[in-house]
Parts: sequence; structure tokens; C-alpha cells
Amino acid sequence: SQTIHQWPATLVQPVGSPLSLECTVEGTSNPNLYWYRQAAGRGLQLLFYSVGIGQISSEVPQNLSASRPQDRQFILSSKKLLLSDSGFYLCAWRGKQSYNSPLHFGNGTRLTVT
Amino acid sequence: AQSVTQLGSHVSVSEGALVLLRCNYSSSVPPYLFWYVQYPNQGLQLLLKYTSAATLVKGINGFEAEFKKSETSFHLTKPSAHMSDAAEYFCAVSEPTGRRALTFGSGTRLQVQP
Repeated sequence: SQTIHQWPATLVQPVGSPLSLECTVEGTSNPNLYWYRQAAGRGLQLLFYSVGIGQISSEVPQNLSASRPQDRQFILSSKKLLLSDSGFYLCAWRGKQSYNSPLHFGNGTRLTVT
Repeated sequence: AQSVTQLGSHVSVSEGALVLLRCNYSSSVPPYLFWYVQYPNQGLQLLLKYTSAATLVKGINGFEAEFKKSETSFHLTKPSAHMSDAAEYFCAVSEPTGRRALTFGSGTRLQVQP
């Protein structure tokens, strides 16, 4: 069966510090991968998606970047965090078979920028 | 562009009462629709999905949803609420485009009173 791992679960970082969040998927190959951010009371905002190694699409201009160095690894980064980067970050994967297949989410990372 | 609207950011019901969470969608093509549940500090878990096979869809934990094209709605219901149903619920629509992501509503927080 497929599983998705995200770490760390929680993170407190000062403004201006770098960020690296990692997500890995097991049990499937060549998935579509996604980073969403959830701000309090605002639903989920798609940040990045990837259809293959090295292929990253950004949905909104911001202080973050993403990379996919391996087929089942997706990394969210920042060189200098802002207060507005605080939120709950969710990684998800989806098979390529059809767009009626659901997204499968990791357990998320709670990021607090102080 | 496809979108979903969830009416009511907070819904409170008594234990044993009917649960009704509302979702309306906007789509220029036949939509694929999903309901997810999120418990505090966790990722999203799929409750059910509509993929045009049947208008009444049954999901996990006793939830079901009915697709009504004439009303562009996909409301989530459960006949009898349990305390364990207290969580946040998200409606989402699938996009038949290159990124094949899901677009989420802003969520409805369900409270269950004893």
C-alpha cells in the first residue's frame, strides 16, 4: 500500500532563517506531488506541484521554492522566512491515471515563524 | 475555473442529530467532487468521492453525499452525529487540467454537543 511521510511535524523558526520541509512517498512510482498551505480559517492554498523529477510549477509568487530531486521526494524550501510563512503545510500525492482519483495527504508540518 | 463554496464556516449539532454540511460547486465541465475530513493537527482524510457513477455516494464513518446537478450541490450528510465526528470538513473539486490538483472550499468546522 502507498504511504506518505512528512517531517518534521512541528517547527518553530525565527524570521530570516532558512527552511526545509521534506516529503516522501512509498508504494507508488511517478506520482504527481503537491504542496498546500493551510492558514487559519482560510482553507487550502496550492503552492507547488510536480509531475516528474525536476519539474516544478509554482502557483503563487512568494518566499518559497520547491524541488523534486527524486521520483518520490518533494522538498519545500525558503532562504529567509517571513512571519507570513507561518501555517500548516501539507504534502500530497496523486496517481496519474485519472483526474477522478483523490489526493492523498501527509500528516502536515505546523510551521511557526517568530 | 472550477471552484467550490462551503456555506457555514461553523456548524454545531447535538449528538444524535442530523449532520448537514453544504457544498456548491462551479464547473464548466462535469465535475469530480470530494469530501475530506481533518482532525486537529493532522492531514486530510478522504471521506468520499463523486465520479459520476452514482449520484448518491456513501463514504466512511456513516457519511454520504448526494450530487445534484440542477442545484450544483454536493452536500454531506450523516443521520446521527457522534462526538468523534467533531472535525473540519472540506469539499473539493478536481481540475481536468495539466496540474490535476484539487481546489478546496474554505472548510466547515463541525462541533458536536453532548
